[in-house]
Amino acid sequence: DIQMTQSPSSVSASVGDRVTISCRASQGITNWLAWYQQKPGKAPKLLIYAASTLQSGVPSRFSGSASGTDFTLTISSLQPEDFATYYCQQANSFPLTFGQGTKLEIK
Amino acid sequence: EVQLLESGGDLVQPGGSLRLSCAASGFTFSSYAMSWVRQAPGKGLEWVSVFSVSGGTTHYADSVKGRFTISRDISKKTIYLQMNSLSAEDTAVYYCAKGLWGSSSYYFDSWGQGTLVTVSS
Repeated sequence: DIQMTQSPSSVSASVGDRVTISCRASQGITNWLAWYQQKPGKAPKLLIYAASTLQSGVPSRFSGSASGTDFTLTISSLQPEDFATYYCQQANSFPLTFGQGTKLEIK
Repeated sequence: EVQLLESGGDLVQPGGSLRLSCAASGFTFSSYAMSWVRQAPGKGLEWVSVFSVSGGTTHYADSVKGRFTISRDISKKTIYLQMNSLSAEDTAVYYCAKGLWGSSSYYFDSWGQGTLVTVSS
């Protein structure tokens, strides 16, 4: 199985900050990676797929990039509604697997 | 508008069985892969199973293989998850999720609200 490791597990930031969240795959997954945002008590929301393709309706302050087995989610200027937990997910092979999550908190 | 409505979650004893349902609307149900994803209380997301569009192929997480079965009723636009031999480790909110189109079928662009399964004596 492909293991997805996110870092950090939690991060504190302020409105307007630039934030990056990392995700490393245990083996090559090409660009078969998605990022999701989840708020407490709510279902996850797809932000980015294929490593860097912005899902329809998602603000452009969200972006994704890839380098080998390392993937990055960047939020260019944090907004109040961005404080949530973020998950990466590989779609390269079964079983599909998620990272453990990164909680983005208000500083 | 895509809508996914899960039902069937309940309190069940260890070793018991339960069937979850997910009724879909707002898209051509037969053309998209559908998955179940679960989240134990206070924990992260865990993919459980998928019903693929291509030939009706199914896949399962190792943790549920042999105990859970995913199925689909196109006429009812509903996906099911039959869960047998339940244990406390299966306690979670279960979400159904719709895949994107074509080769991106295993990215989930729409989710239901979730249904809670609690396994306890």
